[in-house]
Amino acid sequence: DTGVSQDPRHKITKRGQNVTFRCDPISEHNRLYWYRQTLGQGPEFLTYFQNEAQLEKSRLLSDRFSAERPKGSFSTLEIQRTEQGDSAMYLCASSLVGDTGAYEQYFGPGTRLTVT
Amino acid sequence: GNSVTQMEGPVTLSEEAFLTINCTYTATGYPSLFWYVQYPGEGLQLLLKATKADDKGSNKGFEATYRKETTSFHLEKGSVQVSDSAVYFCALLSNFGNEKLTFGTGTRLTIIP
Repeated sequence: DTGVSQDPRHKITKRGQNVTFRCDPISEHNRLYWYRQTLGQGPEFLTYFQNEAQLEKSRLLSDRFSAERPKGSFSTLEIQRTEQGDSAMYLCASSLVGDTGAYEQYFGPGTRLTVT
Repeated sequence: GNSVTQMEGPVTLSEEAFLTINCTYTATGYPSLFWYVQYPGEGLQLLLKATKADDKGSNKGFEATYRKETTSFHLEKGSVQVSDSAVYFCALLSNFGNEKLTFGTGTRLTIIP
């Protein structure tokens, strides 16, 4: 079990550019979550997938944000036309959901985005 | 909606001191409760959890008891070490089909030798 991995760990981009982040969950986990964490705050939910289906999106996820999990394994989060307010740590988490409900979520190391 | 209120930091303690970080919550039904820890430059790590009232979660000398009557889940440790310096987050997971974690704002803990 190698844990949740994220790539890249750091990304610096200029305002207006597009960026894409990748998350690889723990292999047997069927749920995958994206959160955003700004300085001095707790993580805030963005969206989550059950296998390849995107089941919920937060109001924080504007039209410039899109997430996919095409084969129910890894996921990508794309931000189009980045703004300085998008600067944050983007966290991915995964969990295993069974008949008795959801279990704890395990987090990756995060991707720190800086928009200049 | 769901919310978590944490004791504001930063908290600075001497090594071997007793630690309490307060956490209270608002939620519908019977959520599961968690403490996560974030060491400098790292992601969140699950520290402990409790899934029903009166459950006690424990790990690495830390403990927290799920108190439904006071809607609290305070984190305690009897004797802290320098290596416990980190940011601690209290979080809840609703069991009403709302599968996202709701976090508190975090408490930065610094232990001085």
